[in-house]
Amino acid sequence: AQRVTQPEKLLSVFKGAPVELKCNYSYSGSPELFWYVQYSRQRLQLLLRHISRESIKGFTADLNKGETSFHLKKPFAQEEDSAMYYCALSGHNAGNMLTFGGGTRLMVKP
Amino acid sequence: NAGVMQNPRHLVRRRGQEARLRCSPMKGHSHVYWYRQLPEEGLKFMVYLQKENIIDESGMPKERFSAEFPKEGPSILRIQQVVRGDSAAYFCASSPQVTEAFFGQGTRLTVV
Repeated sequence: AQRVTQPEKLLSVFKGAPVELKCNYSYSGSPELFWYVQYSRQRLQLLLRHISRESIKGFTADLNKGETSFHLKKPFAQEEDSAMYYCALSGHNAGNMLTFGGGTRLMVKP
Repeated sequence: NAGVMQNPRHLVRRRGQEARLRCSPMKGHSHVYWYRQLPEEGLKFMVYLQKENIIDESGMPKERFSAEFPKEGPSILRIQQVVRGDSAAYFCASSPQVTEAFFGQGTRLTVV
């Protein structure tokens, strides 16, 4: 079975502080990992995926297969980063089903 | 490509009525997912469908809930005999394969 765990429901930081949103997964194979973001009253949208190795809006995430983690990081948080963040996994074993973590609400205070 | 379309955006039902939520995936997408988001909660997986097949319905409540994705037409999430606890935002997403999923705007169901 594939599973995604986001241990923090809420993360509150001050503007300019570093941010790390944790994501751990379990999957018996080579998964594809994603981070999605949901800004207030908007639809979920893809933030980044591990295979592209991009930095979007200053966010990066590195897949650590040894620790089965895919933490999302940003060195300097901005108020506009306040949103709900979801880590997701897709695996060939389960018919390509996308599994989401429970989400972490990031609040960036001025 | 208009994106994933969900309708209605808002749906109000009295207890005991039926709710039908529709999701039209993006053109060329054959994978559809339904998620539920309770107030102040995260996304909870409900069901994963491909055309005419339910692949995984492990997140669906055992009773009153059903989903379909027919050969023609939108995917339908059907809730029979709704109760207050069914009030939530229901999101649909579609994807072509093992790539990113595209989400609809969601349907906010309110049971009064």
